[in-house]
Amino acid sequence: DTGVSQNPRHKITKRGQNVTFRCDPISEHNRLYWYRQTLGQGPEFLTYFQNEAQLEKSRLLSDRFSAERPKGSFSTLEIQRTEQGDSAMYLCASSLGFRDYGYTFGSGTRLTVV
Amino acid sequence: GDSVTQMEGPVTLSEEAFLTINCTYTATGYPSLFWYVQYPGEGLQLLLKATKADDKGSNKGFEATYRKETTSFHLEKGSVQVSDSAVYFCALSAGQGGKLIFGQGTELSVKP
Repeated sequence: DTGVSQNPRHKITKRGQNVTFRCDPISEHNRLYWYRQTLGQGPEFLTYFQNEAQLEKSRLLSDRFSAERPKGSFSTLEIQRTEQGDSAMYLCASSLGFRDYGYTFGSGTRLTVV
Repeated sequence: GDSVTQMEGPVTLSEEAFLTINCTYTATGYPSLFWYVQYPGEGLQLLLKATKADDKGSNKGFEATYRKETTSFHLEKGSVQVSDSAVYFCALSAGQGGKLIFGQGTELSVKP
């Protein structure tokens, strides 16, 4: 069990550029979640996948955001035309099926838009 | 909608003091409840959980009891250590999707 891996750890980008983050979940976990955390706040849910199917998206996920999980393994989160308000920590978590098992979080990708 | 409210921080305690961090929730149905901890520079780690009313979650000396009548899940520890300094998040999971809804977090600082 190598845990949930997120890359890159840090990303600085200019406003208007596109960025993509990657999450590698624990291999046997079929559910994968993306959250966003701003300074001094708790994580906010963005979207989740069960295997390769994206089953729920938050209203926080504007049209500029897209997430994929091809083949039900790793996932990518892309932000197009970044804005300063997108600056945050983006967290990935995975779980095995039911919510009662708890969730394993990655260390996150910190995005800074300048 | 579902929500979680935690006591505001920061909370500053001396080593070996008793800790309580209050957490209340609003949810339809029967959520599972969690406490996560975030140490400086690290990711979120599951501290403890409870899946039904009157369940007590415990780990590393921390405890929390799922109280349906008061919709609460307060975190307690009898004797804190400097190494417990971190941000603590209360969260609930409800619905088929199992997404977590977090409180805003409570920063704990323990002084020697």
